[in-house]
Amino acid sequence: GENVEQHPSTLSVQEGDSAVIKCTYSDSASNYFPWYKQELGKRPQLIIDIRSNVGEKKDQRIAVTLNKTAKHFSLHITETQPEDSAVYFCAAPYLTNAGKSTFGDGTTLTVKP
Amino acid sequence: DAGVIQSPRHEVTEMGQEVTLRCKPISGHDYLFWYRQTMMRGLELLIYFNNNVPIDDSGMPEDRFSAKMPNASFSTLKIQPSEPRDSAVYFCASSLGAGGNNEQFFGPGTRLTVL
Repeated sequence: GENVEQHPSTLSVQEGDSAVIKCTYSDSASNYFPWYKQELGKRPQLIIDIRSNVGEKKDQRIAVTLNKTAKHFSLHITETQPEDSAVYFCAAPYLTNAGKSTFGDGTTLTVKP
Repeated sequence: DAGVIQSPRHEVTEMGQEVTLRCKPISGHDYLFWYRQTMMRGLELLIYFNNNVPIDDSGMPEDRFSAKMPNASFSTLKIQPSEPRDSAVYFCASSLGAGGNNEQFFGPGTRLTVL
């Protein structure tokens, strides 16, 4: 069944501020946690992912942290820019079937100039 | 590689008509997924294939929907007959390895409008 919860559903920040989006999952055996970005009218695209053997991964202004004990992972965007405005989705392997993913409901991030 | 290719990009049809959406996955990818995206229901997985074999179609909303993958480079999603509530963006995605454990590459989507 559904095993990913994503919060918040909407997030508005001023340009230059940081943004944090959090997802929780239920299957302790899950080992792959991607974040996808979907700009308006475009396809979802992977921006960063993390596997369960590490606790943090960074790529320039974005980072993902993983807390396996608490079963949650978070996307961090620093020094936000207007082009960061998009819908962000987290995902995790589907409970009992890693052939597919469960996606979070998405977070609409708006960066105000 | 051109990425995942979908056609048509836009489709407008009338209720009751048959609609066929097409997808070409990235060469070498062994998993293919069909998703539907709406404002109300978000991103829903309809069906996925592994090595051209349908593995899980539990997300297919009803018998009006069917999907095939006759070979490794082509898949179709058919709706017959179409209804206004089928209006949505349909994405095809592919991955190298299980979709739950690897990046999924999405196509540009087909925006379907059923009048």
